[in-house]
Amino acid sequence: KAGVTQTPRYLIKTRGQQVTLSCSPISGHRSVSWYQQTPGQGLQFLFEYFSETQRNKGNFPGRFSGRQFSNSRSEMNVSTLELGDSALYLCASSLETATEAFFGQGTRLTVV
Amino acid sequence: GQQLNQSPQSMFIQEGEDVSMNCTSSSIFNTWLWYKQDPGEGPVLLIALYKAGELTSNGRLTAQFGITRKDSFLNISASIPSDVGIYFCAGQTSYSGAGSYQLTFGKGTKLSVIP
Repeated sequence: KAGVTQTPRYLIKTRGQQVTLSCSPISGHRSVSWYQQTPGQGLQFLFEYFSETQRNKGNFPGRFSGRQFSNSRSEMNVSTLELGDSALYLCASSLETATEAFFGQGTRLTVV
Repeated sequence: GQQLNQSPQSMFIQEGEDVSMNCTSSSIFNTWLWYKQDPGEGPVLLIALYKAGELTSNGRLTAQFGITRKDSFLNISASIPSDVGIYFCAGQTSYSGAGSYQLTFGKGTKLSVIP
């Protein structure tokens, strides 16, 4: 059974640009959550999607958004990138809820 | 918001030694999870705990869900070099009526094993 797949693995963007990250969950998993990981703040919850609906959102500015498609694949978008957005972005999938979440390898975003 | 205090922040141990780390919270959690993360990779789920007082093992790993539901610990017995990595605890509460859940993570315990 394939795990959670995140693309791309690495990304370098310039301040002010926007970026879209992709996540394909484990087959059959309907819940997809996104997390930002930085050395200073650790793992912080961004949002969770279930059946194409955002069910929960963390304390991030509106520049961070996401969506989920009918096949449960999810994308997150960050607009007007700032240097502080440099981080490892992790996607996790689970059957129903965010419990027993299985993580992808992450996308390492560097903003210069 | 909810916060998890995970300790210790880092540990250096000899191969073969046992390891213990814990997480405490000011909030009650319904579920505790323990993850291990290797450099450049995503966290890998080690153990999930669902009931207060529950003790669960996974090979050389043992974790317990505290009776108060505000803490959990992870023990690793007879450590080996591949145990090196960062261990995270995560707690989850259910939002009544909302049907949505999020995980709150500790800051991690960095484990180094000296051969």
